[in-house]
Amino acid sequence: DAGVIQSPRHEVTEMGQEVTLRCKPISGHNSLFWYRQTMMRGLELLIYFNNNVPIDDSGMPEDRFSAKMPNASFSTLKIQPSEPRDSAVYFCASSFGHVREQFFGPGTRLTVL
Amino acid sequence: AQSVSQHNHHVILSEAASLELGCNYSYGGTVNLFWYVQYPGQHLQLLLKYFSGDPLVKGIKGFEAEFIKSKFSFNLRKPSVQWSDTAEYFCAVINNDMRFGAGTRLTVKP
Repeated sequence: DAGVIQSPRHEVTEMGQEVTLRCKPISGHNSLFWYRQTMMRGLELLIYFNNNVPIDDSGMPEDRFSAKMPNASFSTLKIQPSEPRDSAVYFCASSFGHVREQFFGPGTRLTVL
Repeated sequence: AQSVSQHNHHVILSEAASLELGCNYSYGGTVNLFWYVQYPGQHLQLLLKYFSGDPLVKGIKGFEAEFIKSKFSFNLRKPSVQWSDTAEYFCAVINNDMRFGAGTRLTVKP
């Protein structure tokens, strides 16, 4: 039984480039979450979706960040343009209902040079 | 907005010592409570959860947590830690809002 799938697992890019992170939630889950984890700031919720609709994006740091969920089995987090301070591990998680336990993906380690 | 406080940032214990990690939250209504563990280089995994019923919940790997509503607390415990418990532990509180604590890094010395 596949868990949450994220790609790529590692991304190294240069400042100013566009970065797209991808997530496939667990089949049947209707809530999807994007988190960012850094040593300085810990685990931060960026945005979450219920039934493909963005519910709370107050954690998105700025307009350079955008997230979409075109269907129940796919979501993207885009950073354009990327900056060195965006370097972090980005986790996607899904759950059946947004108040239930979340299942986390393996994360994407992003390095912006 | 609710907040979650984990008072210990880094805990160092020897094997076989007992563990208690604190978690307090600010929300006064009905909440769902979780503890997650993140082993080095890995993603977060659920240790245990509380929705309702018995306030003492058992999780995987010998962990348990007690929900004390009057204290707004959900502390994590383990009677005897092992070296393999070295990890970061996150408390999470979910209602209409969701918050993770800052995490507590546990180092168990062999």
